[in-house]
Amino acid sequence: NAGVTQTPKFQVLKTGQSMTLQCAQDMNHEYMSWYRQDPGMGLRLIHYSVGAGITDQGEVPNGYNVSRSTTEDFPLRLLSAAPSQTSVYFCASSYTPSGGDNEQFFGPGTRLTVL
Amino acid sequence: SQQGEEDPQALSIQEGENATMNCSYKTSINNLQWYRQNSGRGLVHLILIRSNEREKHSGRLRVTLDTSKKSSSLLITASRAADTASYFCAISGGSNYKLTFGKGTLLTVNP
Repeated sequence: NAGVTQTPKFQVLKTGQSMTLQCAQDMNHEYMSWYRQDPGMGLRLIHYSVGAGITDQGEVPNGYNVSRSTTEDFPLRLLSAAPSQTSVYFCASSYTPSGGDNEQFFGPGTRLTVL
Repeated sequence: SQQGEEDPQALSIQEGENATMNCSYKTSINNLQWYRQNSGRGLVHLILIRSNEREKHSGRLRVTLDTSKKSSSLLITASRAADTASYFCAISGGSNYKLTFGKGTLLTVNP
């Protein structure tokens, strides 16, 4: 199993550009989530999904969109990038729909810089 | 907010010593989890302890949970240089769909 994979590893954007961060898992997990990690802030939940076709907002959803058309993939879209979105983004998955009830498996992260 | 708060923020010890990190929280929980993050990497799950459990062990790791004090501790015994990492507690409460992470403890184990 590849586990949770994320692409790209690094990305530099200009303010106002849009892009999609890719996340995929091959463990047939129902629950998937996106976090951002900023220095001194810990991890903050952006969006999560409890299954294909079902998504919901986390703590910091503004400026981000998600969709879940398949169990395996959970892309995160930045609509119009802003410098405040400079961060490291982590995707995670868990095998039950209640993602907080079991361990989460994390991807290696995408380091995004917005100029 | 359900966020856990780790203490201390940073800890530096010698190889072979024990390391203890604490996590405090403010509301009721379903479970509390500990994760490790090596520099520049993703998080790795260490232990999950449920609200009706008081202690769990995994290898050199020991986690305790005191729901009356709303606190948990992570003990790493006989530490190694490879244990150098940030350690996060994560709280699951309420709807159980979300994990809320603390800001972490940076552990440095000196050879």
